[in-house]
Amino acid sequence: QSALTQPRSVSGSPGQSVTISCTGTSSDVGGYNYVSWYQQHPGKAPKLMIYDVSKRPSGVPDRFSGSKSGNTASLTISGLQAEDEADYYCCSYAGSHVVFGGGTKLTVL
Amino acid sequence: QVTLRESGPALVKPTQTLTLTCTFSGFSLSTSGMCVSWIRQPPGKALEWLARIDWDDDKYYSTSLKTRLTISKDTSKNQVVLTMTNMDPVDTATYYCARIQIVGATRGSFDYWGQGTLVTVSS
Repeated sequence: QSALTQPRSVSGSPGQSVTISCTGTSSDVGGYNYVSWYQQHPGKAPKLMIYDVSKRPSGVPDRFSGSKSGNTASLTISGLQAEDEADYYCCSYAGSHVVFGGGTKLTVL
Repeated sequence: QVTLRESGPALVKPTQTLTLTCTFSGFSLSTSGMCVSWIRQPPGKALEWLARIDWDDDKYYSTSLKTRLTISKDTSKNQVVLTMTNMDPVDTATYYCARIQIVGATRGSFDYWGQGTLVTVSS
């Protein structure tokens, strides 16, 4: 399985919104509603931010939202804050296999 | 609370076999729908899923690495073990174990991760 396609980097100023895309195929993103997103700060383990395309685990701010259209999933972060600066990875669970995206570095200007 | 911790050698030589252990607490791998996966991340690169073992002992492997990987569990010890044969410098990475459930609220996602263990492959 090939990695899902994400932009290498995105940026935004505090208070703004940014959207990170994640493109796969009908065999992964498009075929299942098990898309999740992870935030990773340098030297730290990834943290689950979104699951089932658009659901937030307890404790994740509602500034983080997810959506999907066809073979592309998206993570939107509104009201950017300095602590949102991190790497973000999408992930598609398709039963017997899992594929991650290449990761997107978010810079808060 | 749920915790996972990886352990194993920090340095292995090319061609050697790597054995990593994930010791977890706060859940049981005998509970229906509970699974543990291994995921790795080379320095400065993306996450790569490696393998998964389920509560019923079903096992799944990355297509590209399946000939080199073996995953097993010891439910009584709350441990999952991953072995990777024929290690190469390109396998240098931080190796994570993570919990995934295939039923329930956060199904299909990795809701808890270990802190990771860096494995360097070098002679």
